[in-house]
Amino acid sequence: ELKVEQNPLFLSMQEGKNYTIYCNYSTTSDRLYWYRQDPGKSLESLFVLLSNGAVKQEGRLMASLDTKARLSTLHITAAVHDLSATYFCAVIYSGYALNFGKGTSLLVTP
Amino acid sequence: NAGVTQTPKFQVLKTGQSMTLQCAQDMNHNSMYWYRQDPGMGLRLIYYSASEGTTDKGEVPNGYNVSRLNKREFSLRLESAAPSQTSVYFCASSDTQPQHFGDGTRLSIL
Repeated sequence: ELKVEQNPLFLSMQEGKNYTIYCNYSTTSDRLYWYRQDPGKSLESLFVLLSNGAVKQEGRLMASLDTKARLSTLHITAAVHDLSATYFCAVIYSGYALNFGKGTSLLVTP
Repeated sequence: NAGVTQTPKFQVLKTGQSMTLQCAQDMNHNSMYWYRQDPGMGLRLIYYSASEGTTDKGEVPNGYNVSRLNKREFSLRLESAAPSQTSVYFCASSDTQPQHFGDGTRLSIL
């Protein structure tokens, strides 16, 4: 059974600070996804990481993948209020379907 | 751009009632999925359809049935609704990843 664990599950951080969200998964996979969800909204794809050592950056967010350690990180640089949301990592299993972590609820405060 | 369209957006049912959630995608994707999202649980896969004419169980299929009506449409049916099925239901579609999600159906069962 594939397990995906995120930590922390809740994160309150001040604007301008840096922080990292971690995503560990239990079985071999070379594809990992990060999604963002605003309250009451759908999921928006942020990053697709397809190989060991992959690094993707978009604005203040940077995601990386270490398939040997079964670990992905989502790094937030100089946080702003607009980044407040819930962030999910997800790993492919059965060739098609995604297994999601429980999500990290991020609140960025002034 | 419609993408993935779910209907209805909100629904309240009484225990024992039946209902079908509809999902349609206009991106010509082969694969479609149904997830449920509960507080603190992330998204869990109910059923998926890798291609037209095929369906497979996901992590939490009990109490649900699905129909892949054609390439565009994938419906989820609750034959006898139970309070434990109160949740937000998301439909998604993909060819190559990432999956594209609909806006969700918020279902309450009293």
